[in-house]
Amino acid sequence: KQEVTQIPAALSVPEGENLVLNCSFTDSAIYNLQWFRQDPGKGLTSLLLIQSSQREQTSGRLNASLDKSSGRSTLYIAASQPGDSATYLCVPSLNDMRFGAGTRLTVKP
Amino acid sequence: EAQVTQNPRYLITVTGKKLTVTCSQNMNHEYMSWYRQDPGLGLRQIYYSMNVEVTDKGDVPEGYKVSRKEKRNFPLILESPSPNQTSLYFCASGLNDQQPQHFGDGTRLSIL
Repeated sequence: KQEVTQIPAALSVPEGENLVLNCSFTDSAIYNLQWFRQDPGKGLTSLLLIQSSQREQTSGRLNASLDKSSGRSTLYIAASQPGDSATYLCVPSLNDMRFGAGTRLTVKP
Repeated sequence: EAQVTQNPRYLITVTGKKLTVTCSQNMNHEYMSWYRQDPGLGLRQIYYSMNVEVTDKGDVPEGYKVSRKEKRNFPLILESPSPNQTSLYFCASGLNDQQPQHFGDGTRLSIL
């Protein structure tokens, strides 16, 4: 059974910092891996999806990498802004989606 | 506008009273799924559907039923709700299980 671990569980940074969120998963047999953000009381928004054959994906200030063989993914956020404050979820997927507990990010003005 | 719509958004009800949470998507997606989110446990998949008339159990299917009679709708049915089903529920859809998933805004259920 796939186990997903996200480190750190919570992170608080001043505005403008570059930061890295880490995700590890136990079963490398995945189709893809998605990063989501969840705002309090809201649904999930897909940020990036990396297919199992890819190493990374970029969207604006976000860059996600995938090392399937070692069961790791990182989400890099450049020049963080207060609007980035949310919980970030890492989700490896095979026939179903397995969610990590998330990293709760707070970016202070 | 492409969206996944859940109803109701909030519901307080009593043990044993059957309820249905509806989920509808307007993107012609084949894959749909239901999750519950609980503090300390994260999101866990309840059921998923690869296409019309095809449904499978996720991690925590006990106490729930689903149906997929048409592509756009994937209702979640609690035949006899119990307090341990108090949770925040999300419906999601995607072209298939390998494409980005779109989530609804969630349904907060309280079973007294």
